[in-house]
Amino acid sequence: GAGVSQSPSNKVTEKGKDVELRCDPISGHTALYWYRQSLGQGLEFLIYFQGNSAPDKSGLPSDRFSAERTGGSVSTLTIQRTQQEDSAVYLCASSLSGGLTGELFFGEGSRLTVL
Amino acid sequence: RKEVEQDPGPFNVPEGATVAFNCTYSNSASQSFFWYRQDCRKEPKLLMSVYSSGNEDGRFTAQLNRASQYISLLIRDSKLSDSATYLCVVRSYTGGFKTIFGAGTRLFVKA
Repeated sequence: GAGVSQSPSNKVTEKGKDVELRCDPISGHTALYWYRQSLGQGLEFLIYFQGNSAPDKSGLPSDRFSAERTGGSVSTLTIQRTQQEDSAVYLCASSLSGGLTGELFFGEGSRLTVL
Repeated sequence: RKEVEQDPGPFNVPEGATVAFNCTYSNSASQSFFWYRQDCRKEPKLLMSVYSSGNEDGRFTAQLNRASQYISLLIRDSKLSDSATYLCVVRSYTGGFKTIFGAGTRLFVKA
């Protein structure tokens, strides 16, 4: 598959547990984005990686959220001590060049439900 | 105030109708603009870029008004398959690249 791959596709967890969401971008894409989308809502920016530059973490809602991108490819979004308001679809996107013009290609998302 | 605002709709139109959506943005330094389409419970996909002089792609026409800070999307001869949520996307560079999505406008095209 040549598209963006996310796992797991669905995750149900109990409040207070930690979760890890994984994103495999399209090969060769230097830019990687994480967004989250609550039911019936728009996309909320979380974090942006561009090549070897320091990531833009300005969208992370609290210090319970962190993300890393290893070797400029796979990214993991970690949510510690999950809360019910963290329930959402977490979307990852990659782009060939990022910046102002590169098209974003999205994965199918990871649906997180916190009980 | 949100950086990118859209009328959430829904817009309910019959097949063959012409429908238009607007999107306003607050950052005057915004530099590039796009429309993405999101089908129900699917991921967003690029519909078209929006150029300063306006541009057309088949039944779809996009316009940009920098002075008033809004972009528009016009769909002519609506099809049932156009039913989706249309997301306005604004990108800027102010110390770092930003890609901001609007909350989307829902369109239902009825037979």
